[in-house]
Amino acid sequence: AQTVTQSQPEMSVQEAETVTLSCTYDTSESDYYLFWYKQPPSRQMILVIRQEAYKQQNATENRFSVNFQKAAKSFSLKISDSQLGDAAMYFCAYRSAQNSNTGNQFYFGTGTSLTVIP
Amino acid sequence: ETGVTQTPRHLVMGMTNKKSLKCEQHLGHNAMYWYKQSAKKPLELMFVYNFKEQTENNSVPSRFSPECPNSSHLFLHLHTLQPEDSALYLCASSQVVRGGQYFGPGTRLTVT
Repeated sequence: AQTVTQSQPEMSVQEAETVTLSCTYDTSESDYYLFWYKQPPSRQMILVIRQEAYKQQNATENRFSVNFQKAAKSFSLKISDSQLGDAAMYFCAYRSAQNSNTGNQFYFGTGTSLTVIP
Repeated sequence: ETGVTQTPRHLVMGMTNKKSLKCEQHLGHNAMYWYKQSAKKPLELMFVYNFKEQTENNSVPSRFSPECPNSSHLFLHLHTLQPEDSALYLCASSQVVRGGQYFGPGTRLTVT
C-alpha cells in the first residue's frame, strides 16, 4: 500500500511570511494524484491544491504552490504572504490514477498543524 | 445546497442507542466515503462506495453499518457504540478514479 509521510507535526510562520510544509510518499505507480487539504479548527476539510503526476509543471492556486519532485517522491506546499486565516491542520494525500478499486483509495498523511503569528 | 452536507452536525448518544448519520453530495460524484477522525490520530478510512457498491470495509466493527441507496446519499447506522467511538465522522465524495475528494463538515459524535 502507498504511504504518505508528513514529518512536521507542527509549524509556525509570521504573518506575511512564507512557509513550506513537507510531504513525502511511497509508491510504485507512475500515474497518480497528489493533494493538499486544509482543515481549520472545528471546520470543514477543504481541498487546497492538486497535482497530477504526469504534469511536470508545479500547480499553483493564488498564494499556494507546490514543489513536486517525482523522482524524490516529494510534494511540498508553499504558502506565500501567510494570513491569519491560513492557520489550520494541513493534510497531504495521495490517490492512484489507475482504473481499479485502488483508484478510490486516498492515503492521507498525519497532518501538519500550522500556526500563524500576528 | 451545494457540495457535501452532513446531518446531524453534533450527536450525543448512549451506548444502547441506535442512530444514523446522513451524508448527501450535490456534486454529481459517483464515489462516497466514510472516515473517522479522532484527536491525535490519522484519518481512518472506514467505507468506500463506487456507484452504490461497497468496495472497501477497513475492518470496521459491525456496530457501524453503512448504507448507500444511490450515488448521492450515504448513511452510517450506529448501534451499541462504545465510548472510544466518539470522534468526528467525515463523509466525502469524488469521481471514481480521478480528481480530489470533497468533504462534508462532519458529525461530531459523543458516546456516553
